[in-house]
Amino acid sequence: DQQVKQNSPSLSVQEGRISILNCDYTNSMFDYFLWYKKYPAEGPTFLISISSIKDKNEDGRFTVFLNKSAKHLSLHIVPSQPGDSAVYFCAATFNNAGNMLTFGGGTRLMVKP
Amino acid sequence: DVKVTQSSRYLVKRTGEKVFLECVQDMDHENMFWYRQDPGLGLRLIYFSYDVKMKEKGDIPEGYSVSREKKERFSLILESASTNQTSMYLCASSLEGAGLYGYTFGSGTRLTVV
Repeated sequence: DQQVKQNSPSLSVQEGRISILNCDYTNSMFDYFLWYKKYPAEGPTFLISISSIKDKNEDGRFTVFLNKSAKHLSLHIVPSQPGDSAVYFCAATFNNAGNMLTFGGGTRLMVKP
Repeated sequence: DVKVTQSSRYLVKRTGEKVFLECVQDMDHENMFWYRQDPGLGLRLIYFSYDVKMKEKGDIPEGYSVSREKKERFSLILESASTNQTSMYLCASSLEGAGLYGYTFGSGTRLTVV
């Protein structure tokens, strides 16, 4: 049973528009959430994180929103750029998880020029 | 910057072979992890280690073992490779507090078992 789910396997967006990537989780013990970005033939790279005591965290063009009551988080990229085309993974952990991250299945974002 | 190095980018092995995947990190991280990435399934944890000679099973340890004799090196062993172990293998390391700072991943090893 997947505790972290990304229900959209792919997303296509026009350059300059907003990209919204979604993630749902089932384990209410999760208290940290992260987004990773992965290019082909490279390892995932950390993008942005959020603690469960917050509902929003912003870093440049990237903003993560957390809705704890809905067990839902989203990553907004504004404006989207062709270089943002990659697979995005959301991940979650909790204090007693021993630093283990649980990952979603990933969403492939394609930003068209 | 932390660097996590996986010894091979691509490997092709035969069914039944014993396979070693090596991972080295250079920033004295306590924690090291092995994941496999498969389309639609995301990253699934195979094994992890908090310290030298310590190991813990992840979600899918069957058919795998690990070794951590030195802090900087974490090896994944496929005891008898099978075709369903064809996958991208990713090694990662982290300090305490992975939730806030995340992992640093290697570039991955794409293993094909024929």
